[in-house]
Amino acid sequence: EVKLVESGGGLVKPGGSLRLSCAASGFTFSSYSMNWVRQAPGKGLEWVSSISASSSYIYYADSVKGRFTISRDNAKNSLYLRMNSLRAEDTAVYYCARDPEPNSSSWRLDYWGQGSLVTVSS
Amino acid sequence: DIQMTQSPSSLSASVGDRVTITCQASQDISNNLNWYQQKPGKAPKLLIYDASNLETGVPSRFSGSGSGTDFTFTISSLQPEDIAAYYCQQYDYLPLTFGGGTKVEIK
Repeated sequence: EVKLVESGGGLVKPGGSLRLSCAASGFTFSSYSMNWVRQAPGKGLEWVSSISASSSYIYYADSVKGRFTISRDNAKNSLYLRMNSLRAEDTAVYYCARDPEPNSSSWRLDYWGQGSLVTVSS
Repeated sequence: DIQMTQSPSSLSASVGDRVTITCQASQDISNNLNWYQQKPGKAPKLLIYDASNLETGVPSRFSGSGSGTDFTFTISSLQPEDIAAYYCQQYDYLPLTFGGGTKVEIK
């Protein structure tokens, strides 16, 4: 069974940093591109970042470029999102999500974690 | 960025009704469109990919159509368990962008 479990969310002050983790199981993690998608309270979905299976290709939304860093450790079956210079508008539930196309990118998201809430407030 | 405009933003229908949601892209995206369902307090779930392909395990009452800039998502017979928000998502160009969502309620 494919499972994605996020952790690392919490309350942080503006300008602060946080690292989210996503633990994957039930599939060959090293073969799949992964994504972060966020959802502000009561709002819609916003794509944040993508990383290819081997970390060769990395993409960011303009809203987080230069502040957030996506990475993965295939030996640990884990995906990460390092978030620096956090702003109030970064407050959201952050989901990790898998692309179902092995060693490629279909840009659809077939499995999602339960989400991790990040609150940026003084 | 490609803007995705979904309508309506919310709707109320009776069990058994046919429900239709539209999604319009700000430029031609071919058939590079997916649809997701998000139930309250849950993560989104992929229902339709490449505009019209049903994801494995998804009931056949869900369908999608369209290409270019205009897309339609249909629930042929609304069921109580279909209460959710529905989102379209384009992948023709990065950044991936989602529509604003349609909240479906039971009348």
